[in-house]
Order: sequence, then C-alpha cells, then structure tokens
Amino acid sequence: QVQLQESGPGLVKPSQTLSLTCTVSGASISRGSYYWTWIRQPAGKAPEWIGRIYNNGNTDYNPSLKSRLTLSIDTSKNQFSLNLRSVTAADTAVYYCARERNALWWLDPWGQGTLVTVSS
Amino acid sequence: DIQMTQSPSSLSASVGDRVTITCRASQSISTYLNWYQQKPGKAPKLLIYAATNLHAGVSSGFSGSGSGTDFTLTISSLQPEDFATYYCQQTYSSTPYTFGQGTRLDI
Repeated sequence: QVQLQESGPGLVKPSQTLSLTCTVSGASISRGSYYWTWIRQPAGKAPEWIGRIYNNGNTDYNPSLKSRLTLSIDTSKNQFSLNLRSVTAADTAVYYCARERNALWWLDPWGQGTLVTVSS
Repeated sequence: DIQMTQSPSSLSASVGDRVTITCRASQSISTYLNWYQQKPGKAPKLLIYAATNLHAGVSSGFSGSGSGTDFTLTISSLQPEDFATYYCQQTYSSTPYTFGQGTRLDI
C-alpha cells in the first residue's frame, strides 16, 4: 500500500523560504506512470494544485507560483521536495503531497497534510 | 485558468436520501473531471475519475456522470460516513488543475 508523508517546519517567517519534503513508502518513485504532486489548502477553502515532478526531474508548475517555486526529486531516498521562496501570510495553508496518475491525472493517495503558518 | 463552479455550496440531507451535486466548468473539459471526498482534518480521497469511473475500493453507492461542461456526483443512498465535503477537479489541457469551491454535505 502506497503511503506519503509530508515533513518540514510548521512556522515560516515572511520573506523566507518554505521547504517541505514528501517521503513515499510502498512504491518506488522511480517507477513510471506517476507524477509526484504538491497541493495546498488554506483553512476553509478549496485545494490549490501547486505543481508536480516526474522521476526524470521534469516539472509542471502552477503559473501563479512559478516565479517562487522549485520542486526536486531524490530517487535514492524515495523523496520529493518543495521550496517556495519569499512567502507571505497568503501562503499559510495545509500542504499535501500526492501521487498523480499519468494521462488520467487523478490524485491518490494523498499524504496526511502538514500545516504551514507564515508569521513573524 | 478553467473555473469550476459547484452547486449547491452546502446541502442538508438524511441517511438514506439520494443526493446529487453538480459541477460546471467554464469551458469544455471533455471527461477530464475527478471527484474527491474530504472529512474534517483529513486529506481528500479520490472517489470518481474521468467523470464516470469509480476508483478502486469506493462504495458503489457513488456514481458520476457528465461530459463537456456539466457534471454530477450522485450518492444513491446516504450513509452516515458520507457526510463530508465534496470537491470536483478538472484535469483538462495544461496545468494548473483547478478544483471547485466544494459542497458541504451535512445531516
């Protein structure tokens, strides 16, 4: 059974960089057919698709975040990561990682999510 | 970006009721439409993909229909565990893949 787990600081200061890692168990992220995706959800709002990365390092980013966003992948550790620069309070949200099926583009499973608060 | 609009935004129903939630896209998205269920404090779970396909392990009480711009999620007979918030998501064309604003289903 595939499981994903987010990790990283729960509090980030404004203008700094938000860094999260997603550790995958039960499947190899080197395997084809899947992208590895980040989604965030501010309290009481709908999820927002952030971006995704393939096992060869190819990425797709949400244009609204592209200038501040970098996704990376470490197949040796079965992990992928998110770096979001110059954060503001508007970046406060629960951040989820998920597996995204190539060509069908569904998200399953999701990690449990981690709350990141941007505040001084 | 393609905008997704769900209706209603909230809905009160009872165990055993048949419930329908609608999702409308701002342009045609063929059948590139997924449905998710989210319970408080939990991650969303995939219910339906490609508009009509039931994800593995999901109750057959859930069904999806539609194509183009108009889609529906139907729960044939509400169970206690079905009370949650439901989101549609379009995955047509290029990213970003946008979600609807959600439909909260209450007792």
